[in-house]
Amino acid sequence: DTGVSQDPRHKITKRGQNVTFRCDPISEHNRLYWYRQTLGQGPEFLTYFQNEAQLEKSRLLSDRFSAERPKGSFSTLEIQRTEQGDSAMYLCASSLDQDEQFFGPGTRLTVL
Amino acid sequence: AQSVTQPDIHITVSEGASLELRCNYSYGATPYLFWYVQSPGQGLQLLLKYFSGDTLVQGIKGFEAEFKRSQSSFNLRKPSVHWSDAAEYFCAVGAMRGGNKLTFGTGTQLKVEL
Repeated sequence: DTGVSQDPRHKITKRGQNVTFRCDPISEHNRLYWYRQTLGQGPEFLTYFQNEAQLEKSRLLSDRFSAERPKGSFSTLEIQRTEQGDSAMYLCASSLDQDEQFFGPGTRLTVL
Repeated sequence: AQSVTQPDIHITVSEGASLELRCNYSYGATPYLFWYVQSPGQGLQLLLKYFSGDTLVQGIKGFEAEFKRSQSSFNLRKPSVHWSDAAEYFCAVGAMRGGNKLTFGTGTQLKVEL
């Protein structure tokens, strides 16, 4: 296993369109996290899963955002009706229980 | 609520010089502290972590950090910087041992002059 992978690496979309990102964690990791990073800022927590259960959601995660991890393996993050303010790097991380988090390369979203 | 402050947005050092990046945290209980490095186009890589025990922790690439509870600090140090260390460095605090969520500082951009 080579680490956490994310797809796509880059996404350009028009305002109002829906986008979906995928994250594949390290295979034996039961926890999966999503963060958002804007220019000049550190990553901000969005949500996390333990297996298939979504255990916490940040107030940053508006109703337009939804995340799933249906079989406790990969996860998807969908943004509906994208806005220019959604432009950011979306980072995924995974961990085994409460151990350290390993991050993927991120998906850079640009909303025109 | 937990928070992290990295007071230096940019730091420039000469190759071979020593480095110290500052990090102050706010957290109501025993903090779990991390330093990550991010190079352009790369994900975040963990340099080192503090959970408990010895307050001086060693990490990868010759980095170390010291936890000082009285100062609420977790500063990152390296005795001799290499040009390849140029990157952005993030300090983070976790609610538990890396679990739940990490709260990151705004980062320090390190430039290394040859």
